[in-house]
Amino acid sequence: EPEVTQTPSHQVTQMGQEVILRCVPISNHLYFYWYRQILGQKVEFLVSFYNNEISEKSEIFDDQFSVERPDGSNFTLKIRSTKLEDSAMYFCASSVAVGFTTGMKNEQFFGPGTRLTVL
Amino acid sequence: AQRVTQPEKLLSVFKGAPVELKCNYSYSGSPELFWYVQYSRQRLQLLLRHISRESIKGFTADLNKGETSFHLKKPFAQEEDSAMYYCALIGNTGNQFYFGTGTSLTVIP
Repeated sequence: EPEVTQTPSHQVTQMGQEVILRCVPISNHLYFYWYRQILGQKVEFLVSFYNNEISEKSEIFDDQFSVERPDGSNFTLKIRSTKLEDSAMYFCASSVAVGFTTGMKNEQFFGPGTRLTVL
Repeated sequence: AQRVTQPEKLLSVFKGAPVELKCNYSYSGSPELFWYVQYSRQRLQLLLRHISRESIKGFTADLNKGETSFHLKKPFAQEEDSAMYYCALIGNTGNQFYFGTGTSLTVIP
C-alpha cells in the first residue's frame, strides 16, 4: 500500500540555520499539506498546496516558512532561519482531492513525521 | 472560531470494558468530523469519519449536532486499542484539519 514518506526522521540544527524537510506524497495525490506538533500540544495546520501553489496557510506559516514541489515527487518545507520555538514534529500529508462538489472531504494520509530540534 | 476539544489527556480502561473518548467541537458551518489514531511509533491514520457512518475495529462515533459532539465508543476494549486518538474536523470552506489535543488510551490487561 502506498505511503507518504518523510526524510529525515530527526533533524537537529542550530538556531538561525535554514532547514529543509522533505516529503514524498502518495504518487497520484493532488493536495499536499504540512502540519506541526509541538511536544505536548495538538497537531496544527501550517499550509496546503495544490497545483503548484499554496491554497491555504495558517497564521503560523509566516515569511520564515516556504514550500516547494521541486520535481514530480518531492514536497519540501523550508524554514529560513530557525528559532527555538520551531522545535516540533512536522508531518506531511497528502490527499487526492477536496470534493466540494461531492460534499465529501478526502482522507488525508500522513507521513511518519520529522522531529526538528533547534538548539 | 473552529475548535476541537478532547477533555481527557489520558484514559485507562480494563480489557473488555467499554470505552468512550470524548470530543466536542465548535464550528459555525457544517464540518466533517474524523477520528485519527496513532499507535506507538506509527503514523497518524484514519480510524473513521462521521459521513461514512461505519464501524472500524469495533469503534463507532455518532455526530450529535445538538451537543456538538463526536464521541468515540467501543463496547469492549482490547489491548491493541492502546494508542493516541485524535478527533479532528474539516470545515466546509477549506481542506485543513483542526485537531484536538488527543487522548492517550491505555487498555489494561
